[in-house]
Amino acid sequence: EDQVTQSPEALRLQEGESSSLNCSYTVSGLRGLFWYRQDPGKGPEFLFTLYSAGEEKEKERLKATLTKKESFLHITAPKPEDSATYLCAVYAGGYQKVTFGTGTKLQVIP
Amino acid sequence: DVKVTQSSRYLVKRTGEKVFLECVQDMDHENMFWYRQDPGLGLRLIYFSYDVKMKEKGDIPEGYSVSREKKERFSLILESASTNQTSMYLCASSLPFGSNQPQHFGDGTRLSIL
Repeated sequence: EDQVTQSPEALRLQEGESSSLNCSYTVSGLRGLFWYRQDPGKGPEFLFTLYSAGEEKEKERLKATLTKKESFLHITAPKPEDSATYLCAVYAGGYQKVTFGTGTKLQVIP
Repeated sequence: DVKVTQSSRYLVKRTGEKVFLECVQDMDHENMFWYRQDPGLGLRLIYFSYDVKMKEKGDIPEGYSVSREKKERFSLILESASTNQTSMYLCASSLPFGSNQPQHFGDGTRLSIL
């Protein structure tokens, strides 16, 4: 069974303090790893797709990387508006469902 | 941009009522999904559909049914609402399985069953 574990569950950063969120996964034949951002009371917003080990994607202060066992979401010099829950999900291809992690709740303090 | 619209942001119903949650997507996506999201449990798949009139059970289908009469619309039905169905319900859509493309979500319906 596919599994996704995100750590830490919660992270509190000072504005400007860079850090990384971890997504460890177990899946037979990864076809895609997705990162989402979710604000309170709203649906997840798609950020990135990573397809193979070594791949990296960037958007503003966020950079996602992928190895064969885990993905990292690096946040450089975060701002308060980056506060949200970040979700990771994996897809094994074909008619397999997407498996979501339970997320990391990030709080950036001014 | 993909737009997934859920008919209600907040809904309050009574135990035993039949409840309908509606979802519409504007990107001509083949796949549509219904999830519920509860604190500490993450997103759990209720049902999905990969074509009009087709439906498949997810991980927690008990107490729910779905309907997909048109490609753009996917409805979730609570046959007889119970208090343990109080939750945030999220609809999503995506390109076909095998395209390896992400799901896109609506803003959710927060449903309270009293």
